[in-house]
Amino acid sequence: NAGVMQNPRHLVRRRGQEARLRCSPMKGHSHVYWYRQLPEEGLKFMVYLQKENIIDESGMPKERFSAEFPKEGPSILRIQQVVRGDSAAYFCASSPDRMGEQYFGPGTRLTVT
Amino acid sequence: GQQVMQIPQYQHVQEGEDFTTYCNSSTTLSNIQWYKQRPGGHPVFLIQLVKSGEVKKQKRLTFQFGEAKKNSSLHITATQTTDVGTYFCAGLLAGNQFYFGTGTSLTVIP
Repeated sequence: NAGVMQNPRHLVRRRGQEARLRCSPMKGHSHVYWYRQLPEEGLKFMVYLQKENIIDESGMPKERFSAEFPKEGPSILRIQQVVRGDSAAYFCASSPDRMGEQYFGPGTRLTVT
Repeated sequence: GQQVMQIPQYQHVQEGEDFTTYCNSSTTLSNIQWYKQRPGGHPVFLIQLVKSGEVKKQKRLTFQFGEAKKNSSLHITATQTTDVGTYFCAGLLAGNQFYFGTGTSLTVIP
């Protein structure tokens, strides 16, 4: 049973470009969370999705950031017109239910130059 | 503001010494989870506590959930170099969002 997969593992973008981060949850998991982590800091909640629905996006900036979890395919975190401050590690986690343990992917390290 | 506070931020111990990290919330938590993240790695689930006053053990690790469900602790007995990493608590408040603590970075000196 493959774990949570994220790609790419490393992504370099120039200011103003778009970044697309993908997350494939564990088989059978319909709950996906996205977190952002800066060096030496904790995980900051961004968005919680459950198949085709955004349940809670209160941690995600309203501008430039969007997330989706379509019926088929991976969950996507999209950052438009990236700025240097977007450089961070972005982790997704999947869970079999709302209150259950979260299984994290390896993360995508985004660097904006 | 920060919903879940965790202390200490850093802890250096000699191998064989004990280690404790504390997690505190200003509001009642539905449950609390603990994760470990190795340097350069991703968080790995350790345990979940749900009931008031609950205590769970995993070998040398002991997890507690406070009676008021506002605080929790992780205690490691006789630390080993394999215990190195950052330990995070994550509390679920009323709602859908897990609030992660700032983490405690543990260094074990051999």
